[in-house]
Amino acid sequence: GEDVEQSLFLSVREGDSSVINCTYTDSSSTYLYWYKQEPGAGLQLLTYIFSNMDMKQDQRLTVLLNKKDKHLSLRIADTQTGDSAIYFCADQNRDDKIIFGKGTRLHILP
Amino acid sequence: EPEVTQTPSHQVTQMGQEVILRCVPISNHLYFYWYRQILGQKVEFLVSFYNNEISEKSEIFDDQFSVERPDGSNFTLKIRSTKLEDSAMYFCASSVGEKLFFGSGTQLSVL
Repeated sequence: GEDVEQSLFLSVREGDSSVINCTYTDSSSTYLYWYKQEPGAGLQLLTYIFSNMDMKQDQRLTVLLNKKDKHLSLRIADTQTGDSAIYFCADQNRDDKIIFGKGTRLHILP
Repeated sequence: EPEVTQTPSHQVTQMGQEVILRCVPISNHLYFYWYRQILGQKVEFLVSFYNNEISEKSEIFDDQFSVERPDGSNFTLKIRSTKLEDSAMYFCASSVGEKLFFGSGTQLSVL
């Protein structure tokens, strides 16, 4: 079945850029998402990209999509302590079902 | 910005009891979903609902689960006889057919 994979942990120094990577297997993706989950909280939609785009920028966030390699990345510029959270990559298929990755825990070093 | 609201935020129940998790989707949305996340695991799809009926369900969504839209605003998930393994964070989501908006979740603990 369809799958979404991402590394489980990432540590970044405050002020540096964070890059969280994700790969997916679905050939019929419509949208790809990045969600943020802070401790005890729900899923906050950070950004999304339509599958026929290859880049989207939104303030400190840059999403890159390589559809050929089925690779999605999220770059957070000037990482702050408030960015500490779990980041979920998710793929929406043509049946509008969303498949989530396991999440990448972003840890900010002082 | 409009949001999906879920109540309660935490629910503790005894094994074998029935629970109802409540969601108020965004008002003009047409598609409704339940997902769950067992601690430390992936967020998993449970069920989608459109036009007053289930449009898709996963293998997790067995006969113990049901969904309902009892009025124009609420969307509920009922677990008839809870099991220990039902302990998870349950997320409701809604959409107009494009991106999904998630609620903040209900943490269900089955003792």
